[in-house]
Amino acid sequence: EAQVTQNPRYLITVTGKKLTVTCSQNMNHEYMSWYRQDPGLGLRQIYYSMNVEVTDKGDVPEGYKVSRKEKRNFPLILESPSPNQTSLYFCASGRDRANSPLHFGNGTRLTVT
Amino acid sequence: DQQVKQNSPSLSVQEGRISILNCDYTNSMFDYFLWYKKYPAEGPTFLISISSIKDKNEDGRFTVFLNKSAKHLSLHIVPSQPGDSAVYFCAASARGGKLIFGQGTELSVKP
Repeated sequence: EAQVTQNPRYLITVTGKKLTVTCSQNMNHEYMSWYRQDPGLGLRQIYYSMNVEVTDKGDVPEGYKVSRKEKRNFPLILESPSPNQTSLYFCASGRDRANSPLHFGNGTRLTVT
Repeated sequence: DQQVKQNSPSLSVQEGRISILNCDYTNSMFDYFLWYKKYPAEGPTFLISISSIKDKNEDGRFTVFLNKSAKHLSLHIVPSQPGDSAVYFCAASARGGKLIFGQGTELSVKP
């Protein structure tokens, strides 16, 4: 079954404690990206990757890092989380670029206290 | 600066009638537009898309219209069904990897 898997689904952490949200896809997609969803703001793109070792900033990259060492995995790293990063995060993958129909994971609800 | 705007946070429609969801954009470099549907506790799912070289794309009950001069697109759902109740996001891209989403419109289809 074609899918994008994010882990964990829920995460509560404290300010400053480094964390990683994992994302994996099994469709051999070249394009992967991360979004955060906040009330009234819709989905905002954090980072995207057009292929292995190729990453670029989206609209809200501050405070986040990503890596793309393998085609299937695209982890999101928060080196020093802050309360304003409390949000619902989605990972997505597409065949080759942003205008490919994207497959989304089921989301990670992050709370930073 | 919100480049893609969905000005109606919510819409309520009777089952069987037409639902029209609207989206405005400001960046004339956008060349591809997509609609995604989102149910609670799930990730968004792709619904329909349109290239800027077209003004209409149809897929079953769903039709997207693009008016480039007005920088406006709309999604029509005919006939609307209770299972269509969800949050709908429009999104725009300008080649490459950036994708800009609107704020979303919550559609409620009442039996």
